Amino acid sequence: DTGVSQNPRHKITKRGQNVTFRCDPISEHNRLYWYRQTLGQGPEFLTYFQNEAQLEKSRLLSDRFSAERPKGSFSTLEIQRTEQGDSAMYLCASSLGRGSSYEQYFGPGTRLTVT
Amino acid sequence: AQRVTQPEKLLSVFKGAPVELKCNYSYSGSPELFWYVQYSRQRLQLLLRHISRESIKGFTADLNKGETSFHLKKPFAQEEDSAMYYCALQGGSEKLVFGKGTKLTVNP
Repeated sequence: DTGVSQNPRHKITKRGQNVTFRCDPISEHNRLYWYRQTLGQGPEFLTYFQNEAQLEKSRLLSDRFSAERPKGSFSTLEIQRTEQGDSAMYLCASSLGRGSSYEQYFGPGTRLTVT
Repeated sequence: AQRVTQPEKLLSVFKGAPVELKCNYSYSGSPELFWYVQYSRQRLQLLLRHISRESIKGFTADLNKGETSFHLKKPFAQEEDSAMYYCALQGGSEKLVFGKGTKLTVNP
């Protein structure tokens, strides 16, 4: 197991286009998290899944954003009608359980640039 | 509201000198606190968590509830400690709330 993987690693898109990112968590991890990180900031929570159920969403996740984890394995994050303010690093993390005993393992991120 | 403050954006020390990275938090309940580290061109990874009270790579952090702080310390900094350090809080939810990070540079 090589850890959490994310694809693509980089995405350049024009304003108004839709983009979709994929995250493959560590196998047997039932929790999957999405964070966004902009320049000079720490990661900010977007949403998380326990298996296929989306249990929490941040107010940052506007109606242009949607995340899915259809079979409780990989997850996708879609951004519709991208805006320049969506330019950021999108991070995915997974964990085996709840609470501080279970580490959140992060992927390498997908860097989105909206021109 | 949950908030994590790391007052120093940049911190520069010489090899062998002590280092302290400051972290203050705001949370009304009992928080769980972490330090994450990101080395150059690597992914974010957990350095230590307060609940385990362990020392990792010579780093320790003590939760001070009175001062709402969780400062990261190392008595003798090494060049390989140069990295971006993030303090994070988990409280009442599974999400992590991160500070803005401190970039530590250890000079030879």
